[in-house]
Amino acid sequence: NAGVTQTPKFRVLKTGQSMTLLCAQDMNHEYMYWYRQDPGMGLRLIHYSVGEGTTAKGEVPDGYNVSRLKKQNFLLGLESAAPSQTSVYFCASTRGWLADNEQFFGPGTRLTVL
Amino acid sequence: EDKVVQSPLSLVVHEGDTVTLNCSYEVTNFRSLLWYKQEKKAPTFLFMLTSSGIEKKSGRLSSILDKKELFSILNITATQTGDSAVYLCAAVHTGNQFYFGTGTSLTVIP
Repeated sequence: NAGVTQTPKFRVLKTGQSMTLLCAQDMNHEYMYWYRQDPGMGLRLIHYSVGEGTTAKGEVPDGYNVSRLKKQNFLLGLESAAPSQTSVYFCASTRGWLADNEQFFGPGTRLTVL
Repeated sequence: EDKVVQSPLSLVVHEGDTVTLNCSYEVTNFRSLLWYKQEKKAPTFLFMLTSSGIEKKSGRLSSILDKKELFSILNITATQTGDSAVYLCAAVHTGNQFYFGTGTSLTVIP
């Protein structure tokens, strides 16, 4: 049982490049989330998903797209990376709507955009 | 606008001291409040609080929620250097959205 995993762990991009971050969970959780964490800013929700095939915008969605084609995977895409997207990205999951809201986090992806 | 405010922003204490971390929230359709510890990696879950006035304990850590005054506190007694971390609180909306505070950075010096 690996919990929540993220790929890659580190990445450096040039402005304008695109990339996809992969989050996978093996706990059969319905809800999945993408956050970014910047120094002094806490965690900010980018997008989330309440189930396979669904996505919704969070607090800071601009510049990102997501997809949840399979229940266990939640992908975060950057179509045209900007230096303002330099951050640490965390994926998380929870079991469901009315269940215990304990949230499990992946180890994070450190992204630098030059 | 939904928000969570933590105080203090940072704290330096000596081993053995007791600390109290504060978390106030303004979240519509509030469901629960969570505390996390974050060292140099991903946050790890500490407590979930749903009911007012019921203290949750885990070793030297304890937490309580006041839904009337809209705040929670996290207490750590007999602090150790291993308690040094950023402590995050998050208020959970009934729609399962999480609103995080910016965290309290705790440093425990020997």
